[in-house]
Amino acid sequence: SQTIHQWPATLVQPVGSPLSLECTVEGTSNPNLYWYRQAAGRGLQLLFYSVGIGQISSEVPQNLSASRPQDRQFILSSKKLLLSDSGFYLCAWSVKGQGVGSYEQYFGPGTRLTVT
Amino acid sequence: AQKVTQAQTEISVVEKEDVTLDCVYETRDTTYYLFWYKQPPSGELVFLIRRNSFDEQNEISGRYSWNFQKSTSSFNFTITASQVVDSAVYFCALSELSSGSARQLTFGSGTQLTVLP
Repeated sequence: SQTIHQWPATLVQPVGSPLSLECTVEGTSNPNLYWYRQAAGRGLQLLFYSVGIGQISSEVPQNLSASRPQDRQFILSSKKLLLSDSGFYLCAWSVKGQGVGSYEQYFGPGTRLTVT
Repeated sequence: AQKVTQAQTEISVVEKEDVTLDCVYETRDTTYYLFWYKQPPSGELVFLIRRNSFDEQNEISGRYSWNFQKSTSSFNFTITASQVVDSAVYFCALSELSSGSARQLTFGSGTQLTVLP
């Protein structure tokens, strides 16, 4: 069965510090990978998605970046955190949509980031 | 552009009551996909159901049922005989065929359901 891991679970970082959040998926190959942010108030915002190694698409311009160095690894980074980067970061994976098929996304446990 | 509206921000019911969560969507695609997710207090989103636009059959899974109506662009979720463990934020989401193999999801703003004992 497939499993998705995220770490760390919680993180408190000062403004201006760097960030690295990691997500790995087990039990599947060539998945789509996604990063979401959920600020207080519940809304889920898609930040980045990737359909393959080295292929990153950004949905929202910001001071965050993403990388996919391996098939089942997705990393979210920042060189200098802002207060507004605080939130709950969720990684997700799905099987690629083919033809008229589509598949649900499965989410990791999330990382709660507080920027102070 | 696609859009998902969950007009009910918060709903509170007493245990054993039935409750319906509303979801209205907008899309220009003729082929699209609708989803419901549950987010308990722990934070992890749990997938509940996927429905394709070309399949309008309603679905029942235990105490959960979903009513998909293309004519009104709605995909409503009903919990029968609610339980305290149903307390969570529920999200409706939309994906379009035209989004390519990535099939990005557009989420509604969520409905906080509280079931009181």
